[in-house]
Amino acid sequence: GEDVEQSLFLSVREGDSSVINCTYTDSSSTYLYWYKQEPGAGLQLLTYIFSNMDMKQDQRLTVLLNKKDKHLSLRIADTQTGDSAIYFCAESIQGGKLIFGQGTELSVKP
Amino acid sequence: DTEVTQTPKHLVMGMTNKKSLKCEQHMGHRAMYWYKQKAKKPPELMFVYSYEKLSINESVPSRFSPECPNSSLLNLHLHALQPEDSALYLCASSQQPGGQETQYFGPGTRLLVL
Repeated sequence: GEDVEQSLFLSVREGDSSVINCTYTDSSSTYLYWYKQEPGAGLQLLTYIFSNMDMKQDQRLTVLLNKKDKHLSLRIADTQTGDSAIYFCAESIQGGKLIFGQGTELSVKP
Repeated sequence: DTEVTQTPKHLVMGMTNKKSLKCEQHMGHRAMYWYKQKAKKPPELMFVYSYEKLSINESVPSRFSPECPNSSLLNLHLHALQPEDSALYLCASSQQPGGQETQYFGPGTRLLVL
């Protein structure tokens, strides 16, 4: 069945780059997503990438997609304390469902 | 505007109470979703509405009853809940049902069942 995996924790220093990794199994996914969830809040759509793209850049965010290895990464440049949150990778599958990873808790230390 | 609103933000209820959660979007989206999320876990899909009709029920207990009165509104009626139902309830919407469309989430209702 479909599965999405992420490491659970990442700790970085303010100003460093953060890289959050994700692997997925459904090769038919058209879109892959990154959502951010701050404590006590809902899910904020950060960015997404279409499956025929290798890379997408949006200000401090860079998404890399290796479709052969089914590997997705999110790089946050110049990480700030406000970036501390849980980051969920998700793949869309037929039927309108989203399959989420377990979430990576990013801790940014000053 | 990609805003999904949810009310109330917080809700405390006893196991014998009846309450409702509300969700609204004005983006013209025709698919709406209810998710349940426990702390530091990913959201779990509960229900999907496509063109105001229930299309997916992920084997959710009958004490949760969804309703879609029109294309902008989605309700979740709660009755005889259990303490383990305490969670963050998230609503989402997407433009078209069935396809691989981007889902936009609301801020959630944090529910505590005593």
